[in-house]
Amino acid sequence: GDSVTQMEGPVTLSEEAFLTINCTYTATGYPSLFWYVQYPGEGLQLLLKATKADDKGSNKGFEATYRKETTSFHLEKGSVQVSDSAVYFCALISGGGSEKLVFGKGTKLTVNP
Amino acid sequence: DTEVTQTPKHLVMGMTNKKSLKCEQHMGHRAMYWYKQKAKKPPELMFVYSYEKLSINESVPSRFSPECPNSSLLNLHLHALQPEDSALYLCASSQEGARSQPQHFGDGTRLSIL
Repeated sequence: GDSVTQMEGPVTLSEEAFLTINCTYTATGYPSLFWYVQYPGEGLQLLLKATKADDKGSNKGFEATYRKETTSFHLEKGSVQVSDSAVYFCALISGGGSEKLVFGKGTKLTVNP
Repeated sequence: DTEVTQTPKHLVMGMTNKKSLKCEQHMGHRAMYWYKQKAKKPPELMFVYSYEKLSINESVPSRFSPECPNSSLLNLHLHALQPEDSALYLCASSQEGARSQPQHFGDGTRLSIL
């Protein structure tokens, strides 16, 4: 079945450090890929998406590129801020006709001043 | 500001109570979802409504009863819950049939069962 594997956390960085959160997937067909962010006490917010190979999603300084050859969708940001502290979920919707959103386990990021 | 509104934000109930969670969206989406999220875990899908019809039920116990009165509203009726049902309940919506369109989430209802 479809699955998403993302790096285990927690990840702790200093402000202005470079961030990478790895995400790989297994899916039927050609999935759409998403990164969601969950701030403490809140629901999930869509951070960025990519719907086909080589697409780059970007938002708020975060980027991720849909790599079909490596089945990956790694999240990156060049300079993190304290306000980026949250849990990040990689997710996919399969290309096999299902509209079920499949999540990775989540990665907690803490950014210290 | 979230475009999916959930009420109440917090709910404490006893195991014999009956209560309802409510969700509303005005984005014209035709698919709506209920998820359950335990601490430090990703959301788990419970139900999917598509065009106001239940299309997916992920083998959820019958003490959870969903209802979709119209295309903008989604309810989750709760009865005789167990302590392990304490969790954050998230509602989401999306354009039905559009695989590439993301689901939009509300801020959730934090439910505690005494």
